[in-house]
Amino acid sequence: EVQLMEAGGGLVQPGGSLRLSCATSGYTFSSYWMFWVRQAPGKGLVWVSRISSDGRPTGYADSVKGRFTISRDNAKNTLYLQMNSLRPEDTGLYYCARETWGMAANYWGQGTLVTVSS
Amino acid sequence: QSALTQPASVSGSLGQSITVSCTGTSSDVGSYDYVSWYQHYSGKAPKLLIFEVSNRPSEISSRFSGSKSGNTASLTISGLQAEDEGDYYCSSYTTSDTVLFGGGTKVTVL
Repeated sequence: EVQLMEAGGGLVQPGGSLRLSCATSGYTFSSYWMFWVRQAPGKGLVWVSRISSDGRPTGYADSVKGRFTISRDNAKNTLYLQMNSLRPEDTGLYYCARETWGMAANYWGQGTLVTVSS
Repeated sequence: QSALTQPASVSGSLGQSITVSCTGTSSDVGSYDYVSWYQHYSGKAPKLLIFEVSNRPSEISSRFSGSKSGNTASLTISGLQAEDEGDYYCSSYTTSDTVLFGGGTKVTVL
């Protein structure tokens, strides 16, 4: 069974940093591209970043470019999102997702909550 | 990177068909057949309904179908059922090598 589990969320002050992780199991992690997607409270889904199967970041949303870094460790079957210079508007539930055909995501984690507040 | 445009809400009666639209630009929906649709309940994992405009994962009911014309994609739900209530999002690959989601549509079954 394919499983994705995010961790690392929490409360952080504006300007602070957090590193999210997404532990995966049930499939060959190194064969799939991966996404991060977030949802602010009461708002819609927003794509954050995407990484190739061999670890090349392939894009960031303008709102996080230069502050967030996506990476992966194929030996540990784990995806990461390093978030620096956090802002209140980065508050939300962060999901990792496994990409399938056509840049769609067919497996998702349950999300980890990030709150940026003083 | 503005979100794709979806109606805020769409409603229909049990057994009816409804269509949710997703309007983008020539830099996203109009450029690629990489449009996906998701069903999402807040706080839960989104569920993929349609990928590559009109393809359905094997586990998804044939009541869900997708199409595209120009810069607008559409999701049709036929034979509306109570369990279809929820939020629906489209997404599209873009010419900037990013992915854009729509703002989401709340589907209500009357």
